[in-house]
Parts: sequence; structure tokens; C-alpha cells
Amino acid sequence: AQTVTQSQPEMSVQEAETVTLSCTYDTSESDYYLFWYKQPPSRQMILVIRQEAYKQQNATENRFSVNFQKAAKSFSLKISDSQLGDAAMYFCAYRRIQGAQKLVFGQGTRLTINP
Amino acid sequence: NAGVTQTPKFQVLKTGQSMTLQCAQDMNHEYMSWYRQDPGMGLRLIHYSVGAGITDQGEVPNGYNVSRSTTEDFPLRLLSAAPSQTSVYFCASSSRDRGYGYTFGSGTRLTVV
Repeated sequence: AQTVTQSQPEMSVQEAETVTLSCTYDTSESDYYLFWYKQPPSRQMILVIRQEAYKQQNATENRFSVNFQKAAKSFSLKISDSQLGDAAMYFCAYRRIQGAQKLVFGQGTRLTINP
Repeated sequence: NAGVTQTPKFQVLKTGQSMTLQCAQDMNHEYMSWYRQDPGMGLRLIHYSVGAGITDQGEVPNGYNVSRSTTEDFPLRLLSAAPSQTSVYFCASSSRDRGYGYTFGSGTRLTVV
């Protein structure tokens, strides 16, 4: 079974600085998707960024980028120029390409932005 | 607006009561899922469906029942509520298109006393 691990329960960063959230996963599949979701205090789950495993190029979305290391099964999220609105829980998630395509989540990292 | 609609947003139940959490999506998504979120454990899959009439168990199915009679609706039934079912519940849907992430509802905070 696939598993996703986020080893940092909490992180904090000064406003305008850069922070990196870690995620590792375990799978025997060669093709899959990885996601980062943001959950602000409103509780809504918001898709931040997605990565296709067969693409070597790291995904970027404005201030958000990932460092995808397929061999190491690592998928970290970098937030540049951190803003107060970035404060939230962040979840890493894995999805198979074949089969039922369920999402498997990590435990989450709570990110605090210090003004 | 298109999306996933969950009701209710909050609910308090007494131990032993039953209830149904409603979920509807208007995006014609094939896949629908129910997750529960507990502190320090992320989101765990309860039940999922890959299309109308097809459901299967996830990681934590005990005490819950689902059915999918239409593409749009995927209700979650608590058969006899227990305090261990106190949690936040999310419904999510996704297209078969492998480029999609899941779209989530706004969640239901359930407390069982």
C-alpha cells in the first residue's frame, strides 16, 4: 500500500522569506500524481500544486514550487516570499494513475507566518 | 457555482443515533470519496465510488455505509454513532482524467456525545 509521510508537524517562517515543507512517499508504481493541498482556518481544502511523476520538470505555480526527486521518493513544497495568507495546514497527497485512483494523504504540516 | 456541496456543516449527535451526511457534485465527476480528518492523522479514506452503483471500502469503513444511485450524489450514513466518530468529514470528487486533483466540499464537523 502507498504511504505518505510529512515529518514536520509544524513550521514557521518570517513574512517575505522562503520556507520548504517536506514530504516523502512510498510506492511501487512508476506513474502517479503528487499534490499539495492547503487548508486554511476556513477548513476548505485548496489544491496548491500538482506534479506528474513521468515529468522530470518540477511544477511551479506563482510563489509555489516543488522539488520532485523520484528516485528518493521525495516531494517538497517551496513557498517563496511568504505572505500572511499562506498560514494554513499543508497536506501532501499521492494518487495512483491505475485503479481506483484514491488520494492518500500525509499527516499535515501547520505553517505559521510571523509578521 | 460548480463544485461539491456538503450538508450539514455542523452536527451534534448522541451516542447510538443515526444520520446521513449529504454530498452532491455538479461537475459530472466519476469518482467520489468520503474522508475523515482527525488531528495528527491527516485525511483518511472511509468509502469511495468510481461510478453510479459502484462503491468500495477505504481505510476506515467500520460504522459507515454509502450508496451511489446517481452520478451526482454520494451520501454517507452513520449507522449507530459512537464518540470515536467525532471528526471532520470531507466529501470529494474527481474526474477520471488523470490530470485532476480532487475537488473537496467544505466539510462537516460532527460531534458525538
